[in-house]
Amino acid sequence: QVTLRESGPALVKLTQTLTLTCTFSGFSLTTRAMCVTWIRQPPGKALEWLALIDWDDDKYYNTSLKTRLTISKDTSKNQVVLTMADMDPVDTATYYCARTSAGSGVDYWGQGTLVTVSP
Amino acid sequence: SYELTQPPSVSVSPGQTASITCSGDKLGDTYAYWYQQKPGQSPVLVIYQDDKRPSGIPDRFSGSNSGNTATLTISGTQAMDEADYYCQKWDSSAALVFGGGTKLTVL
Repeated sequence: QVTLRESGPALVKLTQTLTLTCTFSGFSLTTRAMCVTWIRQPPGKALEWLALIDWDDDKYYNTSLKTRLTISKDTSKNQVVLTMADMDPVDTATYYCARTSAGSGVDYWGQGTLVTVSP
Repeated sequence: SYELTQPPSVSVSPGQTASITCSGDKLGDTYAYWYQQKPGQSPVLVIYQDDKRPSGIPDRFSGSNSGNTATLTISGTQAMDEADYYCQKWDSSAALVFGGGTKLTVL
């Protein structure tokens, strides 16, 4: 059974760095083609892809946010961490971690965690 | 950067067929994916690789992709199908691209 769960602060302040952890089970990020990705959704708005890390430790970022994002993995803990620097109120959103495989659909999603950025 | 365009809203009567489009340059040259999201819930993959249904997705959901347009079709639409729907593709830099979403209303 594949599960993913996001954890991190519900509230961050302007200019702070957000650190979110995705803890997963039911699959291994050492399996060829396996990937974990982060996606966010501001209240009432569309999904926005943020970053992806694959089984080979290759990392990919949304080009418009690339300078602020860092993604990493700890395969021994089955965790993927996303940091986003210089947070702003426009970054208020539900942040999802999810599983995908190279070139495939996002087949399992976490429940999401709402992060609010205060001015 | 690559963009996928969806109509903001689509309405359908119960039992009828709903079609939701997703447009992008040469979209048909790559696979399209579709997600359903109900209020307060995480998205659910309903179509992958243009026209395949994951296990557990009713066969009233179908997809197609050709030219610049991918289409999600829901036949015999039910009230439970009322949700937001998002299309997605992979771009050449291994990034995911999502459409702006379509709110499907069953009335």
